[in-house]
Amino acid sequence: EIVLTQSPGTLSLSPGERATLSCRASQSVSSSYLAWYQQKLGQAPRLLIYGASSRATGIPDRFSGSGSGTDFTLTITRLEPEDFAVYYCQQYGSSPLTFGGGTKVEIK
Amino acid sequence: QVQLQESGPGLVKPSQTLSLTCTVSGGSISSGGYYWTWIRQHPGKGLEWIGYIFYSGSTYYNPSLKSRVTISADTSKSHFSLRLSSVTVADTAVYFCAGGIVIDPPHYWGQGTLVTVSS
Repeated sequence: EIVLTQSPGTLSLSPGERATLSCRASQSVSSSYLAWYQQKLGQAPRLLIYGASSRATGIPDRFSGSGSGTDFTLTITRLEPEDFAVYYCQQYGSSPLTFGGGTKVEIK
Repeated sequence: QVQLQESGPGLVKPSQTLSLTCTVSGGSISSGGYYWTWIRQHPGKGLEWIGYIFYSGSTYYNPSLKSRVTISADTSKSHFSLRLSSVTVADTAVYFCAGGIVIDPPHYWGQGTLVTVSS
């Protein structure tokens, strides 16, 4: 099983600032099958990024993903008020599919 | 636009079987190249993949739950289902159904349904 470790656990930032979230895998993620989700309280996760760097339909271009192998990054260039949420990475290249523990982006 | 909606009991007694259904609208669950999955989230915790069923009917389960899980699909009713047997309080969680195209992560999600295991 591939274990995904996200850091930091919490990121305290102000609107307009840049957010950089990390996801590290315990072994190489097959074909960069790495996704990022945003989840707000009481809602289902929303797919942001798949294939490590492809934005899902309707996702603003301030969200970008990068990385390969075992190290992946989600960057939000300028935080909007609606971006404060919990973010999860997920690998879907190996069974079982696994998720990271999440990074909470909170308003400073 | 594909939409998913979970349904089922919100309360299950320990040792019983949890049964949930996910109704898919705006698309056919037997469409080639699609899969349908269940994911759960324990209160205040992260996400756990339970398993999925492909358009072909093939299923794959998380080894940690495999002995207790069955995912099935009813194409005539455009829904797929989850059965989790011998539940304990540790199975209390919000259960999400989701789906997507093979080789992609799930793009479509239900809103989730809370299932509490308690006597």
